[in-house]
Amino acid sequence: NAGVTQTPKFQVLKTGQSMTLQCAQDMNHNSMYWYRQDPGMGLRLIYYSASEGTTDKGEVPNGYNVSRLNKREFSLRLESAAPSQTSVYFCATTRTSGGPMGETQYFGPGTRLLVL
Amino acid sequence: AQTVTQSQPEMSVQEAETVTLSCTYDTSENNYYLFWYKQPPSRQMILVIRQEAYKQQNATENRFSVNFQKAAKSFSLKISDSQLGDTAMYFCAFVLSGGYNKLIFGAGTRLAVHP
Repeated sequence: NAGVTQTPKFQVLKTGQSMTLQCAQDMNHNSMYWYRQDPGMGLRLIYYSASEGTTDKGEVPNGYNVSRLNKREFSLRLESAAPSQTSVYFCATTRTSGGPMGETQYFGPGTRLLVL
Repeated sequence: AQTVTQSQPEMSVQEAETVTLSCTYDTSENNYYLFWYKQPPSRQMILVIRQEAYKQQNATENRFSVNFQKAAKSFSLKISDSQLGDTAMYFCAFVLSGGYNKLIFGAGTRLAVHP
């Protein structure tokens, strides 16, 4: 039972290049999230998917796109990377899509991205 | 807008001592949940403790406990009998009830436990 996995662990890009960050979970959770973490700041929500087939913007969506490929997988794409997107990216999941329960989020190990 | 403030960027404690990390938040909502997450050098985000805002009783998990003051919008974390493995960044976060679990994080407090 791997939980939440992310690939790659580390990536270096040049400005303007594109790439996709992958996230997969084997917890049978319905909701998935992408966050970025910058020095001196907490995690900020980029996009989330409340359930398979739905996606919505979070706090900082500009420059990103997402795809909820199936229940297990949620990818984050940078179409034209910029130095401002240098960050550590975390994927997270919750069992349900919200409601009154304020559920615990389970995080992946993170992807460190450096854009030159 | 909802915000979370952690006023202590760094803290230091001796092994076996007790330390308290501060967190305040701002929301006009009445129903929400509060969390403390730990991020060790491995960068893995690990849930430490969770508090439902409608519960007056403070949550405890082994050596970790919170002091939840709803009127003051304060949610501090107390670590008793500190261990070297407690060295990490600690993030306070909250989520609104019914808010699709969109966590709002503070900037974090870096805790160093010294032998």
